[in-house]
Amino acid sequence: GQQLNQSPQSMFIQEGEDVSMNCTSSSIFNTWLWYKQDPGEGPVLLIALYKAGELTSNGRLTAQFGITRKDSFLNISASIPSDVGIYFCAGQLGSNYQLIWGAGTKLIIKP
Amino acid sequence: DSGVTQTPKHLITATGQRVTLRCSPRSGDLSVYWYQQSLDQGLQFLIQYYNGEERAKGNILERFSAQQFPDLHSELNLSSLELGDSALYFCASSVGLAGSTGELFFGEGSRLTVL
Repeated sequence: GQQLNQSPQSMFIQEGEDVSMNCTSSSIFNTWLWYKQDPGEGPVLLIALYKAGELTSNGRLTAQFGITRKDSFLNISASIPSDVGIYFCAGQLGSNYQLIWGAGTKLIIKP
Repeated sequence: DSGVTQTPKHLITATGQRVTLRCSPRSGDLSVYWYQQSLDQGLQFLIQYYNGEERAKGNILERFSAQQFPDLHSELNLSSLELGDSALYFCASSVGLAGSTGELFFGEGSRLTVL
């Protein structure tokens, strides 16, 4: 079946550092989405991308829809403690709208 | 607050038992999705309902079943429980037929522990 490869699996960073994560696939997606799951909560949508090449920002977060439509990345600038959590990418294929999920990137800020 | 309500928040039960998890979607949302998240794992899609009808099925075990009622709330039934069923179970809802924008609104989850 379709798969999204999300990397890295986890990241240990210092407060103030920039963070970068990405998702790749062998399939072409129509939509890329990035969700964040805070500890003990359900995932929340951060950014949605609907067009190849689209670059969208949401505060300190920036995400891009790859030009090949097979990948997407998410950057977080100047990380702060509340950025900790699990970041999931998800993509929609074709017309069935079903979401394919990445395995998540766990962000941990070193004390 | 996403507007999606799940009950119970925590549930502890024994192997072989049966439990029912309940979800109330956001007001106006017709689609309901169920996901399973095991410890430190990703989200496994189980099943989706739209306006009372099953719309899509993922990796849902035969021991699990779900339904969506006329008032749009949904229940996930887990039977003959095994230790490996211990997980967080999330319900999500969306406005459209199949979440056409990709935006799902998740509840806070029901944490099931099977002893």
